Amino acid sequence: KAGVTQTPRYLIKTRGQQVTLSCSPISGHRSVSWYQQTPGQGLQFLFEYFSETQRNKGNFPGRFSGRQFSNSRSEMNVSTLELGDSALYLCASSTREDQPAREQYFGPGTRLTVT
Amino acid sequence: GDSVTQMEGPVTLSEEAFLTINCTYTATGYPSLFWYVQYPGEGLQLLLKATKADDKGSNKGFEATYRKETTSFHLEKGSVQVSDSAVYFCALSDLGYQKVTFGIGTKLQVIP
Repeated sequence: KAGVTQTPRYLIKTRGQQVTLSCSPISGHRSVSWYQQTPGQGLQFLFEYFSETQRNKGNFPGRFSGRQFSNSRSEMNVSTLELGDSALYLCASSTREDQPAREQYFGPGTRLTVT
Repeated sequence: GDSVTQMEGPVTLSEEAFLTINCTYTATGYPSLFWYVQYPGEGLQLLLKATKADDKGSNKGFEATYRKETTSFHLEKGSVQVSDSAVYFCALSDLGYQKVTFGIGTKLQVIP
């Protein structure tokens, strides 16, 4: 099976712009989660989607939004970019939500730099 | 809310040394526990997991035991290699399996 893919891998944007990141989960995985990884904060949970519905949301401002399509692919959008949004954005997919020890499979991430 | 505490490091060891990375957690209910590893330039990979008290997860020579009484899940390896150099994340999954909480990650450097 192909792994989780994220596009683009690298992105440079200017303050005030908006950006859209894409994630394609492993085939058959219906749950997609997004994380922000920074050196000082570690991995911070952004949100999770399952069957096109947002099931859980972390403590991020409304500038961060996402959606999931019927094929389970997910996009994350950040509007009005700030310098502090520079980070590695990781996407993770997993299988049925009722399995114990739900393992997440991570993509390589999108490195976003805001200048 | 749920939280995971681990040392940030870096932890520097010589090849063949014994490794311990401590992890403690706070959670309501009975979470599942994980260790993930992130090699340079890559995403996270699951290293091992445990779902109930006294369970021992193991993989690639790494081990961790779910200790409910001390709310801990310490990672150990008897003899580290240079190829083990990476960042290690302790994590927990809440009862509803809807959210995974990660520790800050511990950077391990193994020198020849």
